[in-house]
Amino acid sequence: GIQVEQSPPDLILQEGANSTLRCNFSDSVNNLQWFHQNPWGQLINLFYIPSGTKQNGRLSATTVATERYSLLYISSSQTTDSGVYFCAVGGYQKVTFGTGTKLQVIP
Amino acid sequence: KAGVTQTPRYLIKTRGQQVTLSCSPISGHRSVSWYQQTPGQGLQFLFEYFSETQRNKGNFPGRFSGRQFSNSRSEMNVSTLELGDSALYLCASSLDYVNGYTFGSGTRLTVV
Repeated sequence: GIQVEQSPPDLILQEGANSTLRCNFSDSVNNLQWFHQNPWGQLINLFYIPSGTKQNGRLSATTVATERYSLLYISSSQTTDSGVYFCAVGGYQKVTFGTGTKLQVIP
Repeated sequence: KAGVTQTPRYLIKTRGQQVTLSCSPISGHRSVSWYQQTPGQGLQFLFEYFSETQRNKGNFPGRFSGRQFSNSRSEMNVSTLELGDSALYLCASSLDYVNGYTFGSGTRLTVV
């Protein structure tokens, strides 16, 4: 099956700092999403981005499908950005999640 | 529009019992998939249904089963519960897999 690696596994940021999270995957995929899991377990969809670049406020994402990686950029981080960020990739009908990046933003 | 609704939110069961979890997808979504999340194994795919048919299944024992109804609502059942089944069970719905998934808030199952 598809292997999905995320880096870094843990990240501590000072409020206001910028960061880049990376997702590498081992095979071609039909879809890729970034999620933020809040402390209550809810997975919030950030981006559906099988290729190209998208931006939503302080967050943006870029997927280079030919090179099998995706990046999530967080600018001017806030304490509410804390949580775990997952990359999830899919082939047909099955989604494989990465192990996540645990982000802690401190005031 | 209403999101993905999972019930119940919390559940405590005893080893050996069985449990049924419910998921109501976003209106119009015909694909429903289930995931198990544990601290040790992370998020693992259980199965996916589309128009009442199971299209794909993860590597879980036969004690884990599911079904989808004609209104796209889905249930998953775990029989003969084991302590290791304690987890957050997440349901996601989609128009189809190429359109991305929206997750529910999950059901936190504790087996004692």
